[in-house]
Amino acid sequence: QVQMQQSGPGLVKPSQTLSLTCAISGDTVSSNSATWNWIRQSPSRGLEWLGRTYYRSMWYNDYAMSVKSRITINPDTSKNQFSLQLNSVTPEDTAVYYCGRASSSWMEFDPWGQGTLVIVSS
Amino acid sequence: ENVLTQSPGTLSLSPGERATLSCRASQSVSSNYLAWHQQKPGQAPRLLIYGASNRATGIPDRFSGSGSGTDFTLTISRLEPEDFAVYYCQQYGSSLYTFGQGTKLEIK
Repeated sequence: QVQMQQSGPGLVKPSQTLSLTCAISGDTVSSNSATWNWIRQSPSRGLEWLGRTYYRSMWYNDYAMSVKSRITINPDTSKNQFSLQLNSVTPEDTAVYYCGRASSSWMEFDPWGQGTLVIVSS
Repeated sequence: ENVLTQSPGTLSLSPGERATLSCRASQSVSSNYLAWHQQKPGQAPRLLIYGASNRATGIPDRFSGSGSGTDFTLTISRLEPEDFAVYYCQQYGSSLYTFGQGTKLEIK
């Protein structure tokens, strides 16, 4: 059974970079039948998909238009994990951040990571 | 972007009753890439239904999903106390995902 464990700081200063990592067990980040996603949740924006990375003979990324200029999602095959970097954060980026696996068959998120509350404040 | 609108915003019912939750998409959802998730306070969402009508592993058969195109429904046949939570629909299309705003199912 796939499990995902998130790590990273819960407090980031405005204009700095938010960095989170999601470690995978029970599957591999280079799987040809899954994609690896970041999603956030805030009272003002609800659940918002941020982007994904996946391997299909080469690595691909897709990002939401709302964060496309500021986001990078990278796989790390040596540690079987993937990361999120969000640059130039503002208080509007305060949210609970989740990682999630999606199958290539039905595109559903399952499982989700445990969530990390990230507060952007000086 | 395919906007998902869930109704009602809040549903007040009693244990043992039937719950019907709606999710309407602004555009047709391709290949029925429509899922339902349950979220309890302080927890991550949990997958209930994928492909519009397939129950995820371990999900009780009182949960069922139906619909196609732009109109989808999650039905809980007989509410148990642990079913009171927030429910979200989620869709995939054109290389991106969107979520509905959620329906809160509360005890009457």
